[in-house]
Amino acid sequence: SQQGEEDPQALSIQEGENATMNCSYKTSINNLQWYRQNSGRGLVHLILIRSNEREKHSGRLRVTLDTSKKSSSLLITASRAADTASYFCATAGSGGYQKVTFGIGTKLQVIP
Amino acid sequence: DAGVIQSPRHEVTEMGQEVTLRCKPISGHDYLFWYRQTMMRGLELLIYFNNNVPIDDSGMPEDRFSAKMPNASFSTLKIQPSEPRDSAVYFCASTTSKTGIYEQYFGPGTRLTVT
Repeated sequence: SQQGEEDPQALSIQEGENATMNCSYKTSINNLQWYRQNSGRGLVHLILIRSNEREKHSGRLRVTLDTSKKSSSLLITASRAADTASYFCATAGSGGYQKVTFGIGTKLQVIP
Repeated sequence: DAGVIQSPRHEVTEMGQEVTLRCKPISGHDYLFWYRQTMMRGLELLIYFNNNVPIDDSGMPEDRFSAKMPNASFSTLKIQPSEPRDSAVYFCASTTSKTGIYEQYFGPGTRLTVT
């Protein structure tokens, strides 16, 4: 079964708006990663946050992690049409960093 | 670096035929993963290797699926015999333990259609 579950499953916003996606997971983790998948392509790693971190930034991306609630959020600020893609969270459990479990994804559409 | 290379990009085959998917990981990476992606089940880990040795194959659905990694630069995923429910996009990914981050680099995928 999937470890992470993203919410919402689909999101449509206007260009320039912020997009927020959430991820919930069930068991304790070492780290949580976010990936992007453009239509017909493989996944691309965006950002990793370790279990002892609460917030991390990378360009227009901001990730938060709340281990007490077993949840994470990905915020994309000032969205662009090129941000249209599916976004997945992936968790690495206590068994090691190398094996991750992917959520079901959030499909983001940014309307120009 | 060319990234993770997969072949073929598309494969259409008839039920009962043998299918072989190929992957070349990024040079220097010591982990290789095979995933399957479908609308119904999302992205599933089938098997992963460390230094060419299979570590966890618990995601391999049936004995019809087998994977090998004869050397550090090549891996295959074989389905024999194939069935229509095997239709999916199969991804190969690789990563390195050297950075301690383990971000995975995905190939473009092989879209398999079994009729």
